[in-house]
Amino acid sequence: KAGVTQTPRYLIKTRGQQVTLSCSPISGHRSVSWYQQTPGQGLQFLFEYFSETQRNKGNFPGRFSGRQFSNSRSEMNVSTLELGDSALYLCASSMDWEETQYFGPGTRLLVL
Amino acid sequence: AQSVTQPDIHITVSEGASLELRCNYSYGATPYLFWYVQSPGQGLQLLLKYFSGDTLVQGIKGFEAEFKRSQSSFNLRKPSVHWSDAAEYFCAVGGYSGGYQKVTFGTGTKLQVIP
Repeated sequence: KAGVTQTPRYLIKTRGQQVTLSCSPISGHRSVSWYQQTPGQGLQFLFEYFSETQRNKGNFPGRFSGRQFSNSRSEMNVSTLELGDSALYLCASSMDWEETQYFGPGTRLLVL
Repeated sequence: AQSVTQPDIHITVSEGASLELRCNYSYGATPYLFWYVQSPGQGLQLLLKYFSGDTLVQGIKGFEAEFKRSQSSFNLRKPSVHWSDAAEYFCAVGGYSGGYQKVTFGTGTKLQVIP
């Protein structure tokens, strides 16, 4: 069974730009969660999508958004990038919120 | 608001020795509790989770954790550490906050294993 895949793996952007990250969950998983990991703030929960709907969310500004498609693939978008958005963005998939989450390798974003 | 404290930033143990990583949480009701491991160059992996029921939870790789409501703790243990256990360990609490379910992570404990 293929694991969670994230594309791209590395990304360099400049301040003010926007970026879209992609996550393909494990086949059959309907829940996709996104996390941000930085040295300063640690691991933080961004949001969770289930059946194309944002079901849960953390405490991030509206610049961070996402969506989920009918095949459960998910995208995360960050608009008007700031230097502090430089981070490892992790995606995790599961059958549902309470079930075991499987993480992808992450997308490392550098904002210059 | 929910929060997690991992008081030990860095721990060093000898291979074969026992291990206990501490985790304290703050949450108004019965929380969901998790332990994750992150190895260099590898993604995050769930070791174990507690949702309800037996307070002693068995996980993968020989790890276990005990939920102690009276102490608001969920410490991770392993009787005999292997060199491959060197990694960073994160405790997390899940629950409702502001109408949403969310997960809050601790700052992590880096484990070094010496021969």
